[in-house]
Amino acid sequence: SQTIHQWPATLVQPVGSPLSLECTVEGTSNPNLYWYRQAAGRGLQLLFYSVGIGQISSEVPQNLSASRPQDRQFILSSKKLLLSDSGFYLCAWSVVSNEQFFGPGTRLTVL
Amino acid sequence: AQSVAQPEDQVNVAEGNPLTVKCTYSVSGNPYLFWYVQYPNRGLQFLLKYITGDNLVKGSYGFEAEFNKSQTSFHLKKPSALVSDSALYFCAVRPLGGQNFVFGPGTRLSVLP
Repeated sequence: SQTIHQWPATLVQPVGSPLSLECTVEGTSNPNLYWYRQAAGRGLQLLFYSVGIGQISSEVPQNLSASRPQDRQFILSSKKLLLSDSGFYLCAWSVVSNEQFFGPGTRLTVL
Repeated sequence: AQSVAQPEDQVNVAEGNPLTVKCTYSVSGNPYLFWYVQYPNRGLQFLLKYITGDNLVKGSYGFEAEFNKSQTSFHLKKPSALVSDSALYFCAVRPLGGQNFVFGPGTRLSVLP
């Protein structure tokens, strides 16, 4: 069966510090991978998606970047965090025509 | 532009009563439609989907949803609500042939004992 992992579960970082959030998927090959941010427990904002290794599409210009160094690994990064980067970050995967499966999320607080 | 609307921020229902969480969408072509549930500080969990076929779709935990093409709606329903159903519910669409999902803003369901 397929599983998706995210870490860390929670993170508190100072403004201006770097960020690296990791997402890995098991039990499937060549998935589409997605990063979302959820603010204040409400709507999802799509940040990045990837249809293959090294292929990244950015949906919202911002302070973040994403990379996909391996088929089932998706990394969200920032060189310098802003206060507005605080939120709940969700990774998800899907295959063509099917639903998305979400990871457990990372709660990021920027102070 | 593609969009999903969930007209109610909050739905309150008494335990044992039927519940409905509304969703309407605007997307070109025939979309795939989904419902997800989110409990506090957790990722979204898939409930059900409509791809094609019967307009009434049954999913997890006794939930079902009805696809109405003429009204471009995909309302989530359950005949008898449980307190444990209290959570945040998201409707989503995926355009045919598209890679991305468009999510609604979410509806908070509170089931009162």
